[in-house]
Amino acid sequence: NAGVTQTPKFQVLKTGQSMTLQCAQDMNHNSMYWYRQDPGMGLRLIYYSASEGTTDKGEVPNGYNVSRLNKREFSLRLESAAPSQTSVYFCASSEEASGRYNEQFFGPGTRLTVL
Amino acid sequence: AQSVTQLGSHVSVSEGALVLLRCNYSSSVPPYLFWYVQYPNQGLQLLLKYTSAATLVKGINGFEAEFKKSETSFHLTKPSAHMSDAAEYFCAVSDRYGGSQGNLIFGKGTKLSVKP
Repeated sequence: NAGVTQTPKFQVLKTGQSMTLQCAQDMNHNSMYWYRQDPGMGLRLIYYSASEGTTDKGEVPNGYNVSRLNKREFSLRLESAAPSQTSVYFCASSEEASGRYNEQFFGPGTRLTVL
Repeated sequence: AQSVTQLGSHVSVSEGALVLLRCNYSSSVPPYLFWYVQYPNQGLQLLLKYTSAATLVKGINGFEAEFKKSETSFHLTKPSAHMSDAAEYFCAVSDRYGGSQGNLIFGKGTKLSVKP
């Protein structure tokens, strides 16, 4: 069991470039999430997918899009990167999107720098 | 909306001393509560969780937390700190009901330093 995997681990972009962060889980979880982590801000939810075929905005969705490709995979796209999107991005998954089964499992993160 | 507050962004203890990391939540209905640990340059790992069974919850690495409804608290403790406990700790809360209210809400984190 690999758990939650993310690619790439590191990325440097120039302002205005686009990129897609990939995430996959092998735990047969229904729900998947994208967070960003910034110093002193904790984790902030960008988008989530409660189940295959659905996606919803979280706390900080502006500048991002997501695709729930299938039950295993959930990608995050930056269409036109900005320096304010420099952050560490974490993907997570859980059995369900709420309640007692909302224990989330996290990937190792992607460190993104936008110059 | 649900919120969680972690008192103290940095806590420093000596090796062998008691570790106490504070977490308070805002819901009037007892939620589900979680503590996560993040070691440098890694993702978050679940330490323990409260899902309305026993109020004293034991987790990995000797940590435990006690749910106190009257104080709306879920503080994390460990009797004797080890150097390997140095990390950042996050408290998170999830409402009991579905929809976006069920999403995990994280505190801002407490960085624990352990002095030799």
